[in-house]
Amino acid sequence: GENVEQHPSTLSVQEGDSAVIKCTYSDSASNYFPWYKQELGKGPQLIIDIRSNVGEKKDQRIAVTLNKTAKHFSLHITETQPEDSAVYFCAATRGGGNQFYFGTGTSLTVIP
Amino acid sequence: ETGVTQSPTHLIKTRGQQVTLRCSSQSGHNTVSWYQQALGQGPQFIFQYYREEENGRGNFPPRFSGLQFPNYSSELNVNALELDDSALYLCASSMTPDDTQYFGPGTRLTVL
Repeated sequence: GENVEQHPSTLSVQEGDSAVIKCTYSDSASNYFPWYKQELGKGPQLIIDIRSNVGEKKDQRIAVTLNKTAKHFSLHITETQPEDSAVYFCAATRGGGNQFYFGTGTSLTVIP
Repeated sequence: ETGVTQSPTHLIKTRGQQVTLRCSSQSGHNTVSWYQQALGQGPQFIFQYYREEENGRGNFPPRFSGLQFPNYSSELNVNALELDDSALYLCASSMTPDDTQYFGPGTRLTVL
C-alpha cells in the first residue's frame, strides 16, 4: 500500500513569515493529494488539494506544489497569522481508490 | 464547516463492551468512509461504504463493522472493546468513492 511521510512534525514561525510542510509518497499510482487542517477538538478540514496533472495550485495565502517524478508535494503558507496555528495533514490516494493515506501531521505554531 | 455530522461527540466505555457510532453524510454524497485517529497520529482508514455496500477495508479486525442506510448515513460498530480502541473516530463523506472526502467533527471514544 501507499506510505506517506510528512516533515517536519512541529514548526514554529513568526507571524507574517512563511511556513512550508513537505510530504513524500511511495505509490506512483497516487494521483490526488489533499491537505487538511485540524484544530484542537475538531475534524480535519480540507484547505487545498492538487491532482497529478497539475504542478502547482494556489488559493490566496496557501499554495501546494507537486513533483511527480520525485513523488513529493508541499504546502506553502505565506503571511502566516495566529489563526493558522493547527495540525496540518497531507494525504494521498489513487484514482479508483477509496482510502486516503495520511501523513503523521505537522503541528504549526504561529507566534504573534 | 462541512455538512457531515457525527454522534455522540464523546463516549466512555469499559473494556469488552460494544459501541455504535453514527454519521450523517453531506447532502448529495453517497459514500462514507470511517477513520480512526489515535492521539498525535494521522487518521487510519477503517472501511468505506458506497451505496449501502462495504467498498474497501483497512487493516482492522472483524470486530469493527459498519452499515450504510438508504439515506447514506452510516454506523460504525465496535465489539469487544480494547483499551487501544481509545481514539477519535472520524467519518468522511464524498460524492463518489474516490472523490474528495469531507470530514465530520469526530467522536472521541475512551475505553477504560
